[in-house]
Amino acid sequence: DSGVTQTPKHLITATGQRVTLRCSPRSGDLSVYWYQQSLDQGLQFLIQYYNGEERAKGNILERFSAQQFPDLHSELNLSSLELGDSALYFCASSPHTTVGYTFGSGTRLTVV
Amino acid sequence: AQTVTQSQPEMSVQEAETVTLSCTYDTSESNYYLFWYKQPPSRQMILVIRQEAYKQQNATENRFSVNFQKAAKSFSLKISDSQLGDTAMYFCALGRQGGSEKLVFGKGTKLTVNP
Repeated sequence: DSGVTQTPKHLITATGQRVTLRCSPRSGDLSVYWYQQSLDQGLQFLIQYYNGEERAKGNILERFSAQQFPDLHSELNLSSLELGDSALYFCASSPHTTVGYTFGSGTRLTVV
Repeated sequence: AQTVTQSQPEMSVQEAETVTLSCTYDTSESNYYLFWYKQPPSRQMILVIRQEAYKQQNATENRFSVNFQKAAKSFSLKISDSQLGDTAMYFCALGRQGGSEKLVFGKGTKLTVNP
């Protein structure tokens, strides 16, 4: 157990639907990062939150949004889902960048 | 922009032998960090080793060591005494110290350890 908890582990949904992925960071970590891993794109940075505030944004689609709550857990919302959104979505947390991330086990999203 | 390149999509090694995975990177930053992550079939991402760019000494963690060549922007991972449990995807990653703290990942090298 890495200490970073992601739920659900697996999610199957239809095109056009909306889903919410949840992440609880490791105790004491203030930063949460979301990454998308698809077969042909490797790990793509989506967004980072630090202590409730958006800190950095990557190639995140407008259909996707995220937030970090006062208890530091984060949610990634994916809407108007398309087949191409099928991927493994990772959450990671860190106290600061110098020690490297701790990753959660990921959410496998399948859009059918 | 920062980039990370892993030129070996797949590699294989016999159990107990040594293997080296290559990684090159590009950054205009003077202070940065480099990482190797392992992703076994379970899909969990596991930090293997990290290197601070300001340190000349190569990092070592048990059977894992790096060869950090700053001028050449090269950061290879050496796995000694390979074990079956080392079979995994290995990702090289680059992080900038300060500012945005995202990591940029290479596309990975799939390593298979054969018995």
